[in-house]
Amino acid sequence: EPEVTQTPSHQVTQMGQEVILRCVPISNHLYFYWYRQILGQKVEFLVSFYNNEISEKSEIFDDQFSVERPDGSNFTLKIRSTKLEDSAMYFCASSEGNDYGYTFGSGTRLTVV
Amino acid sequence: AQKVTQAQTEISVVEKEDVTLDCVYETRDTTYYLFWYKQPPSGELVFLIRRNSFDEQNEISGRYSWNFQKSTSSFNFTITASQVVDSAVYFCALSESPNQGGKLIFGQGTELSVKP
Repeated sequence: EPEVTQTPSHQVTQMGQEVILRCVPISNHLYFYWYRQILGQKVEFLVSFYNNEISEKSEIFDDQFSVERPDGSNFTLKIRSTKLEDSAMYFCASSEGNDYGYTFGSGTRLTVV
Repeated sequence: AQKVTQAQTEISVVEKEDVTLDCVYETRDTTYYLFWYKQPPSGELVFLIRRNSFDEQNEISGRYSWNFQKSTSSFNFTITASQVVDSAVYFCALSESPNQGGKLIFGQGTELSVKP
């Protein structure tokens, strides 16, 4: 069964550093998403991406965040200058945009120290 | 606005007990989808079920069953004869337009602990 692949599974970074979280969505999917889950809390929507542009973003997705689909297969989330409160699990998801719903990756646990 | 409420933060049961996890949602749309996901201690999100707003039939899959009632805006999840492996956080989620790439809105999650 096709999977959404996220790398790395765990990343530790120093406060103020830039990080890039990588995702390979399912190849025939059209919509791509990033979600965030702070430890012990609910899963929160960050951004959706369609046709090479952001289709929707949440209040969390401020100027520190950006997304890109650089080569037609990868989908990346960049955090420019990480803060301690960016420590969370980040999930990538993709969708065909039909009734079949969403496929989530296994997540990247980001720890900012 | 869309909202999903899971009022039960934590539930603890003894193995073989039945347990129901509650989910109440809010939406202005007439077409929407509801989901349940399981998040085991390893952290990944495991898809359990998807139900569209036009299908109010209850569904059973093994020990799992779901009760969808539009009249009360609820989509409750029951585990029959619970097992230790059912211990996890369970999330209910809502999407108003998945066929147009709409986002998922998650509830706060219910942590289920099944003790032997």
